[in-house]
Amino acid sequence: KQEVTQIPAALSVPEGENLVLNCSFTDSAIYNLQWFRQDPGKGLTSLLLIQSSQREQTSGRLNASLDKSSGRSTLYIAASQPGDSATYLCAVPSGGGADGLTFGKGTHLIIQP
Amino acid sequence: DAGITQSPRHKVTETGTPVTLRCHQTENHRYMYWYRQDPGHGLRLIHYSYGVKDTDKGEVSDGYSVSRSKTEDFLLTLESATSSQTSVYFCAISESLKGYTFGSGTRLTVV
Repeated sequence: KQEVTQIPAALSVPEGENLVLNCSFTDSAIYNLQWFRQDPGKGLTSLLLIQSSQREQTSGRLNASLDKSSGRSTLYIAASQPGDSATYLCAVPSGGGADGLTFGKGTHLIIQP
Repeated sequence: DAGITQSPRHKVTETGTPVTLRCHQTENHRYMYWYRQDPGHGLRLIHYSYGVKDTDKGEVSDGYSVSRSKTEDFLLTLESATSSQTSVYFCAISESLKGYTFGSGTRLTVV
């Protein structure tokens, strides 16, 4: 059974810092990995999708890397801003087919102005 | 997301009553999912569908049923609501090259 762990569970830093959020998964036979953002009381917004053939994806100040062999992904946030405050969730396919995602518990991020 | 809507957004119901949540998509995606999100448990899969009339159980399916009579609609039914089903429910759609897209959620309170 796939399991996803995110470290740290919570993080509070001053504005402007560069951040790294970590995600690990137990079954490396995944075909992609997806990072989401969730604001309080809101739904999930997709940030980045990395296919298994890719090593990383970038979107603006966000960069996500994927190392399947070690079962790890990192989300790098450059020059953090208060608007980046949210919970960040990592998810991988639960199995070989389209039978849903397994999520980590998330990293709750607070950027202090 | 514009391509997926959930209704209602909020609902309060009494223990023992039936409740149906609706998910509607305009993306013509084959795969649709229902998740619940609870503090300490994160997001857990309830049921999913891989086509019209084709559904399967997820991790926490007890007490829930689903139906999909049209590609665009996926219904989640609580046959007899219990307090343990108080949660936030999310619908999602997927397409392999685009990943998963989630709806805005339905906050259900069972009193």
